[in-house]
Amino acid sequence: QKEVEQNSGPLSVPEGAIASLNCTYSDRGSQSFFWYRQYSGKSPELIMSIYSNGDKEDGRFTAQLNKASQYVSLLIRDSQPSDSATYLCAGPFRPNAGNMLTFGGGTRLMVKP
Amino acid sequence: DTAVSQTPKYLVTQMGNDKSIKCEQNLGHDTMYWYKQDSKKFLKIMFSYNNKELIINETVPNRFSPKSPDKAHLNLHINSLELGDSAVYFCASSKARFQPLHFGNGTRLTVT
Repeated sequence: QKEVEQNSGPLSVPEGAIASLNCTYSDRGSQSFFWYRQYSGKSPELIMSIYSNGDKEDGRFTAQLNKASQYVSLLIRDSQPSDSATYLCAGPFRPNAGNMLTFGGGTRLMVKP
Repeated sequence: DTAVSQTPKYLVTQMGNDKSIKCEQNLGHDTMYWYKQDSKKFLKIMFSYNNKELIINETVPNRFSPKSPDKAHLNLHINSLELGDSAVYFCASSKARFQPLHFGNGTRLTVT
């Protein structure tokens, strides 16, 4: 099992809809998680951090963490074409390797006008 | 006032050569990293460096070696380049080990 798993997509949603991106992880000891957005040809950009169970909202973005079920999700409300990008889930896994931040394979989101 | 800067942006070289990629951060962060992103866009950790402590992902070939002259710099040296080394290499930094990363703009390495 991979440490961090995401559906590669593409996930296609119409403009104005809610996009739901999911991520599961294998290390029960992980405490903090991050969502990054990566536009084609660009570097990953941090959009959300979440450290405790429950929801965290920031503008149109909501991150959800469920440690019991070992999943993290990102909801994007009122999706815009400019949200079209690859979204990467990350957490400090691999305790035998210094808990270095490990990324999932990313989900490609396409928002259609 | 770029936070994490890498040079060069593009690097084209032949198999067997040795090359280096430089990275500098002006955020005052304590930890720096190197990641490799392959053609399938999978972002893989290679190294982290914190206060002279180097942590290496065991899957990284020993042809790759990070060098840190000071806290603000972490350069990547690659010896005997192979075709499979072609990828985008990202430098990143964070305040501390469990804090989010700030990425540089990446270096696209092409080995022919």
